[in-house]
Amino acid sequence: EAQVTQNPRYLITVTGKKLTVTCSQNMNHEYMSWYRQDPGLGLRQIYYSMNVEVTDKGDVPEGYKVSRKEKRNFPLILESPSPNQTSLYFCASSSYRGRGSNNEQFFGPGTRLTVL
Amino acid sequence: GIQVEQSPPDLILQEGANSTLRCNFSDSVNNLQWFHQNPWGQLINLFYIPSGTKQNGRLSATTVATERYSLLYISSSQTTDSGVYFCAVVLYNQGGKLIFGQGTELSVKP
Repeated sequence: EAQVTQNPRYLITVTGKKLTVTCSQNMNHEYMSWYRQDPGLGLRQIYYSMNVEVTDKGDVPEGYKVSRKEKRNFPLILESPSPNQTSLYFCASSSYRGRGSNNEQFFGPGTRLTVL
Repeated sequence: GIQVEQSPPDLILQEGANSTLRCNFSDSVNNLQWFHQNPWGQLINLFYIPSGTKQNGRLSATTVATERYSLLYISSSQTTDSGVYFCAVVLYNQGGKLIFGQGTELSVKP
C-alpha cells in the first residue's frame, strides 16, 4: 500500500530533550516536506526537500533540523524542544520535480507532540 | 502573498443533506487539492484538481482556475463526513509548498 508513515504518533517530552520524528514514504517520491498545524494559525511548512541531499527552509524553520540522506526518509529533528513547539506535525511527499510537474501531495497520519 | 479563503467557516447538516464548500484564491496556482481532516486529526486526500471536474462517490469537485475558485460538493451527507475540509494551493514559484485555507468545519447530525 502506497503510504507515508510517521513515528511516533504521540509524544510527550520535556524542554531541551532532543527528539527525532521519523518520516518514510514508499512511493519513490522526490519531494518531501514537513508541516505543523496550530489552532488559529493553520498548517505551515517547516522544511522541504526536492531530492536526496537537497533541503530548504519553509515558513517556520526556527528550532528544527532535517536531513535527506535517502530518498524514502525525511526525519525532523528538534535539538532542544521548547513548549512553543507543541503542535501537530505532518510529513508529506509528492512526485513534484518543479514547475509544471504533478504536485499531488500525500500526508502521513500526523504526530502530536507536547513539550512540557 | 496569495490569499486562500474558504466558506462557510462552519456548517451543520442533517444526515442525507447536500452541501457545497467554496475555496477562493487570489493568484494563479499550479495545483489545488482538497483534504478532509477527520476527528482523529488525519489529513485525507480527496481531490487533486488544478482545473476541471472530478467525482469520487458522493463527493465531487470543480476548479475554475481562470476565475480563481474551486467547489467541493458533498451529496447525501453521512455522519462520517464530519470534520474539517481544507483546500490548499501551490504557487508556481514557491518550491511546491501547499498554502492552506482556514478550513470549513462540517458537522453532520444523525
